[in-house]
Amino acid sequence: SQQGEEDPQALSIQEGENATMNCSYKTSINNLQWYRQNSGRGLVHLILIRSNEREKHSGRLRVTLDTSKKSSSLLITASRAADTASYFCATDKSGGSNYKLTFGKGTLLTVNP
Amino acid sequence: EAQVTQNPRYLITVTGKKLTVTCSQNMNHEYMSWYRQDPGLGLRQIYYSMNVEVTDKGDVPEGYKVSRKEKRNFPLILESPSPNQTSLYFCASRDRGNGYTFGSGTRLTVV
Repeated sequence: SQQGEEDPQALSIQEGENATMNCSYKTSINNLQWYRQNSGRGLVHLILIRSNEREKHSGRLRVTLDTSKKSSSLLITASRAADTASYFCATDKSGGSNYKLTFGKGTLLTVNP
Repeated sequence: EAQVTQNPRYLITVTGKKLTVTCSQNMNHEYMSWYRQDPGLGLRQIYYSMNVEVTDKGDVPEGYKVSRKEKRNFPLILESPSPNQTSLYFCASRDRGNGYTFGSGTRLTVV
C-alpha cells in the first residue's frame, strides 16, 4: 500500500498567498519529512517532524502532524514564484533495518507572479 | 559542502550495453540508497546499503546490481539495460532519524 499520499495533486496560487498541502499515511511512523523538487532535479529536504511532535516551523514553512489521524500538513506562507516545485512527504516507519523513506507521489505547486 | 555526487547527469545507451552510474557522498553516512522516479509511480527504492559490504534489495531491484566497497561510494550497475529501465535515478544518503541528502539525478534513456 502507498505510504504517504499528498493532497491535492496540483495547486495553483498567486504570489503572496499561502499554500497548504496535506499528506496521509497508513502505518506507524518514527518521523515524517517534507521535500521539495524542482523540475527534474534532486529532492531537497525541507523539514522533519518526529512522531511525538505536533507542529514545527522553519522560516516560512509550518508543518503539523496528527498521529491519531495519520496525517500531516505543510503550510508555506507568503508564497513566492521561486516556491514553484513539487512537494513530497516521506514517512520513516517504526522499526525495521532499512532506513527507508517511503515517498508519496507529490503535490505540484505553481505560484503565479 | 555536504553533498551526494552522481554521474553522469544524462545518459543515452542501447539495450544490453552494461553501464554504471556512480554515487559518492562526503558526509560519512552509513546508509545509502538508490531510487528511480517515474511519472505516475513516484519514487521507488531499488537497493539500499546499511554499511560497507552490506546491501539489500528495495522494492524494484530486478535488473540492477549495487556494491558498497567503500563507505562513500555506492554505484548502481545495469548489467543488461532494457527500455523499461528508462527513468530518472537518484542516489541518496542519510543518518538514521534524519533526512535524506539527494544527488542531482541521472536521466537514463535506453533505446
